[in-house]
Amino acid sequence: KAGVTQTPRYLIKTRGQQVTLSCSPISGHRSVSWYQQTPGQGLQFLFEYFSETQRNKGNFPGRFSGRQFSNSRSEMNVSTLELGDSALYLCASSLGVMDNQPQHFGDGTRLSIL
Amino acid sequence: SQKIEQNSEALNIQEGKTATLTCNYTNYSPAYLQWYRQDPGRGPVFLLLIRENEKEKRKERLKVTFDTTLKQSLFHITASQPADSATYLCALQGVLYNTDKLIFGTGTRLQVFP
Repeated sequence: KAGVTQTPRYLIKTRGQQVTLSCSPISGHRSVSWYQQTPGQGLQFLFEYFSETQRNKGNFPGRFSGRQFSNSRSEMNVSTLELGDSALYLCASSLGVMDNQPQHFGDGTRLSIL
Repeated sequence: SQKIEQNSEALNIQEGKTATLTCNYTNYSPAYLQWYRQDPGRGPVFLLLIRENEKEKRKERLKVTFDTTLKQSLFHITASQPADSATYLCALQGVLYNTDKLIFGTGTRLQVFP
């Protein structure tokens, strides 16, 4: 069974640009969550989608948005990029909603802002 | 605010010994606690999940305890091996306070030397 796939693996952008990251969950998984990981803050929850609906949202500005498609694939978008957005962005999928469910992570997209 | 603390300093132990990692939390009543392993450049990998009404959980050389009175979880690796070297993250999830998002600690790096 294929794991969670995130594309691209690495991305370099400049301030003010926008970026879209993609996540393909494990087949059959309907919940997709996104996290930002930085050395100083650790893993920070961005949002969770289930059946194309946002179920939970973390404490990030509105520049961070996401969506989920009918095949459970998900994308997240960051607009008006700032230097502080440089981070590893991780996607995780699970069978159902987050309750009592292990999260299966992809290897992330490393985003660098110049 | 909710806070999860893991020892930020690396834990260095000799092969064959038992490694014990600590996860403390405040201002939170989690229903579940999970432990993950993360290797450099990779996403976290799920290891164990323990519920609030369980005191202990085991899986092969791994053991997790959960003390809701002390607000602490201990993660043990017995007969540790150099291949166990990684960063270990604890994550808490509760259905109280109008959120069930998974909150991660910043992780403890374990180094097992021969």
